[in-house]
Amino acid sequence: LAKTTQPISMDSYEGQEVNITCSHNNIATNDYITWYQQFPSQGPRFIIQGYKTKVTNEVASLFIPADRKSSTLSLPRVSLSDTAVYYCLVGAGGGGFKTIFGAGTRLFVKA
Amino acid sequence: DTEVTQTPKHLVMGMTNKKSLKCEQHMGHRAMYWYKQKAKKPPELMFVYSYEKLSINESVPSRFSPECPNSSLLNLHLHALQPEDSALYLCASSRGQGLNTEAFFGQGTRLTVV
Repeated sequence: LAKTTQPISMDSYEGQEVNITCSHNNIATNDYITWYQQFPSQGPRFIIQGYKTKVTNEVASLFIPADRKSSTLSLPRVSLSDTAVYYCLVGAGGGGFKTIFGAGTRLFVKA
Repeated sequence: DTEVTQTPKHLVMGMTNKKSLKCEQHMGHRAMYWYKQKAKKPPELMFVYSYEKLSINESVPSRFSPECPNSSLLNLHLHALQPEDSALYLCASSRGQGLNTEAFFGQGTRLTVV
């Protein structure tokens, strides 16, 4: 499984756009990139997943460059309730799907 | 129904006790997982069941014993635990072995071993 590297923590203010970058130099051809959000004492929650280029849903965008060695989660106009830990995961599903979490990024949104 | 339900929410047990954690999903998912999470750390994978068969055991001590009675249920049997096993235990499920599989997590069981 590809190892991921993210910033340990980030600060932002309400209303700003937040970009969290994840490095995954050893990503394999059939690996997908997935981001999860976790609040204290709750299970992680799926945010977005992509394979290449750009993916957008109602809560976030995911930008993946052509070499796929990194990816950027973009959260538009964050609010206080977006304060959480964000995990970037890289892996494929075949042969017994494993979801291995990296260290994650603690995002603090201030008023 | 996109929920994974875990019971109990909290559990306190002695080191000589036997207890079980339960997890249930009705999304038709064929892969189910147990994770352990210590405070301020990421979840650590313990076990993966695929089509009701144990497919991955991440070298977990035998005092943790998983069981998958059917496609909707996953249990984790606990026996002779140590205080360092105190943690949040998370269950998750996903569609299966697809390349773009999203995992759904339960709220977890907060376990304290005394």
